Amino acid sequence: AQKITQTQPGMFVQEKEAVTLDCTYDTSDQSYGLFWYKQPSSGEMIFLIYQGSYDEQNATEGRYSLNFQKARKSANLVISASQLGDSAMYFCAMRDLGNTPLVFGKGTRLSVIA
Amino acid sequence: DVKVTQSSRYLVKRTGEKVFLECVQDMDHENMFWYRQDPGLGLRLIYFSYDVKMKEKGDIPEGYSVSREKKERFSLILESASTNQTSMYLCASSSVAGVTDTQYFGPGTRLTVL
Repeated sequence: AQKITQTQPGMFVQEKEAVTLDCTYDTSDQSYGLFWYKQPSSGEMIFLIYQGSYDEQNATEGRYSLNFQKARKSANLVISASQLGDSAMYFCAMRDLGNTPLVFGKGTRLSVIA
Repeated sequence: DVKVTQSSRYLVKRTGEKVFLECVQDMDHENMFWYRQDPGLGLRLIYFSYDVKMKEKGDIPEGYSVSREKKERFSLILESASTNQTSMYLCASSSVAGVTDTQYFGPGTRLTVL
């Protein structure tokens, strides 16, 4: 069964610095997708970035990039030039079969300090 | 723009009451999902639906039921609310595209059962 592990319950980062949020996953499938979501204090889940298991390049979306290491089964989120508005919960998720619900990790709370 | 709406942002109910949480999406998505979110536990899947009048149990269906009479609407029902159902409830939808498909979330409903 698929499983997502986020080992950092909380992290602090100085404004304008980069930060890496860890995510490891477990699956026996060759085809799968990895997702990152942001949840501000308002509660809404905001989709950030996606990486497919067959994608050769690491995904990037603006200040977000995904450090995908397939052999290690890790899909870490890198946020460059942190902003105060980046303070939120961040969830890693995956799907390893077509058209099934996402499975989520327990999340990492990121706090950006001025 | 993708839009998922939930009927209430905040809801307070009494133990034993029947509670309806409504979710509507305007993207013509086939799939709809209900999750609950609790601190330290991440998002856990309650029920999901791949089509009108179809439903599948998730990881924690006990104490809940669902209804999908129209494609755009997916309702979560607490037949007899209990205090351990106090939680954040998140609805999501997605199209049928396999592992790559993104789930889009509503703003969430914070339910308190007294």
